Amino acid sequence: EAQVTQNPRYLITVTGKKLTVTCSQNMNHEYMSWYRQDPGLGLRQIYYSMNVEVTDKGDVPEGYKVSRKEKRNFPLILESPSPNQTSLYFCASSTGLAASRDTQYFGPGTRLTVL
Amino acid sequence: SQQGEEDPQALSIQEGENATMNCSYKTSINNLQWYRQNSGRGLVHLILIRSNEREKHSGRLRVTLDTSKKSSSLLITASRAADTASYFCATDARETSGSRLTFGEGTQLTVNP
Repeated sequence: EAQVTQNPRYLITVTGKKLTVTCSQNMNHEYMSWYRQDPGLGLRQIYYSMNVEVTDKGDVPEGYKVSRKEKRNFPLILESPSPNQTSLYFCASSTGLAASRDTQYFGPGTRLTVL
Repeated sequence: SQQGEEDPQALSIQEGENATMNCSYKTSINNLQWYRQNSGRGLVHLILIRSNEREKHSGRLRVTLDTSKKSSSLLITASRAADTASYFCATDARETSGSRLTFGEGTQLTVNP
């Protein structure tokens, strides 16, 4: 089944404790992206990647890192999480290099709480 | 600030009625997409309309685009309880070559049985 998977789905952590949220897609998609969703703010793009070893900042990249060593994986790294990073996170992927021309396939989301 | 903004923020209708949601955006776009999100779950793509198109249909969905007014509307006809969800428009900014999508805050649609 074609899908985007994220792990973990739920995470409660404490300020400053490094964490990684994994994202994997099995559709051989070129484009992958991370979003965070907060009440009243909609979805905001954190980082995106158009190919292996190619990543770029979205609208809210501060406090996050990403890597794209393999086509299928696009982990989101929080080196020193803070409470303002408490949010619902979504990974998405699409076939081509232009997100606006292609259907974005979203993962199920990761609900992160930073105490 | 958000590229796309949906209106209204919330809409409650009876089953069988039509639901119309609007999206306005600020800068010229290449394409506009609509997505649906069931509570707390991942977004699901509904329809994409290109900047040179004015109207597009998919099943019970009808999307219009008015580039002169920088606005789009999503019409769901003969709504069902299962249509209850949040609906988002997503746009790019033409100068980004379509590599980045910006989502609005969404319209929460409730369809009462």
